[in-house]
Amino acid sequence: DAGITQSPRYKITETGRQVTLMCHQTWSHSYMFWYRQDLGHGLRLIYYSAAADITDKGEVPDGYVVSRSKTENFPLTLESATRSQTSVYFCASSASAEGSTDTQYFGPGTRLTVL
Amino acid sequence: GQNIDQPTEMTATEGAIVQINCTYQTSGFNGLFWYQQHAGEAPTFLSYNVLDGLEEKGRFSSFLSRSKGYSYLLLKELQMKDSASYLCAVPDSNYQLIWGAGTKLIIKP
Repeated sequence: DAGITQSPRYKITETGRQVTLMCHQTWSHSYMFWYRQDLGHGLRLIYYSAAADITDKGEVPDGYVVSRSKTENFPLTLESATRSQTSVYFCASSASAEGSTDTQYFGPGTRLTVL
Repeated sequence: GQNIDQPTEMTATEGAIVQINCTYQTSGFNGLFWYQQHAGEAPTFLSYNVLDGLEEKGRFSSFLSRSKGYSYLLLKELQMKDSASYLCAVPDSNYQLIWGAGTKLIIKP
């Protein structure tokens, strides 16, 4: 019963490098989400996906790219990392068509540091 | 636009009762969520309210007043393991969740 997993759990990179954070869920949930969490802020939505090959921007999408070729995977790529992208990144999934009116289940998070 | 306010931090004593408030402003209303997040861990679902009133779930209860844009989470018989942040969230017009910054609850023996 893996649920939702993220990798890596910790990552240190340098400014300008490309970084990909992985997210995998075993529930066949339709909706998947990427959030970042910074001290003093609530969770902020970066991108979300309603199904395979369907993605849309959230509140803070700049500097990030997503794809969803398979229902179970939703990778997040930082094309050219900046220090302001140092954060904890959470992936989440939910089952229903109206994603936010159904419970979102979160992965364990990836702590990313950009030097 | 949407706005959610929660106290930043609260302190309570083991065995006591604590109420964590959340006020929100949304253009529509599609329910309100409460999540718990222990330090260094992922948020986990606690409750979902869409109708006015109190919903009880063991030691935890959640209250909603849609007319006042107000909710609270009530934690009874506090235990040390209840030390965590409590996050309030509401869906926006696109059904995506808008999150409060969270209330850090500190439990003292």
